[in-house]
Amino acid sequence: AQSVTQPDIHITVSEGASLELRCNYSYGATPYLFWYVQSPGQGLQLLLKYFSGDTLVQGIKGFEAEFKRSQSSFNLRKPSVHWSDAAEYFCAVGGFSGGYNKLIFGAGTRLAVHP
Amino acid sequence: DAGITQSPRYKITETGRQVTLMCHQTWSHSYMFWYRQDLGHGLRLIYYSAAADITDKGEVSDGYVVSRSKTENFPLTLESATRSQTSVYFCASSFRSSYNEQFFGPGTRLTVL
Repeated sequence: AQSVTQPDIHITVSEGASLELRCNYSYGATPYLFWYVQSPGQGLQLLLKYFSGDTLVQGIKGFEAEFKRSQSSFNLRKPSVHWSDAAEYFCAVGGFSGGYNKLIFGAGTRLAVHP
Repeated sequence: DAGITQSPRYKITETGRQVTLMCHQTWSHSYMFWYRQDLGHGLRLIYYSAAADITDKGEVSDGYVVSRSKTENFPLTLESATRSQTSVYFCASSFRSSYNEQFFGPGTRLTVL
């Protein structure tokens, strides 16, 4: 069955430091991959997506992610974190599971940013 | 305003009462979804709809009912609320498919006493 693993539940970084959030997926075919961000009290907002083509994708707010098929990973990166990036981040894969097509979400990584 | 809205944003109810959460989108997206978000469980799909009058169960549908008579609306009803249904509920919509990019509403925080 398809699944998404985000190994880090909480991450704390200093403002201005670089960031990498990990995402590993299990899926038989080429997946549709997404990163969403959820600010406190808000809904989920799409940061970026990968369907095909260039494996390095650029998103909003200065984020990027790289699809590595050999490692079944889609890690999210940002070169310099801002205090406003503190939020929860969800990786998701589009696929067929449980009898229907759906987005399968990871459990999320909560990012804290120290000044 | 264009987008996806949910109402109410906050609701407190009592065990056994019927509650309806509303979801409205202005994009004419074919697909709409209801999720619940609970600590330790992430997002879990309750129901989804591929078009008006076409709905299907997700992974945690027991105790919930949906309808979709119009493309833009997708209400979720808790027929007899239980404490275990205390959660944050998110509605989402998608233009292309059920496994493609989804756009989320702001959520409804429901407390069942």
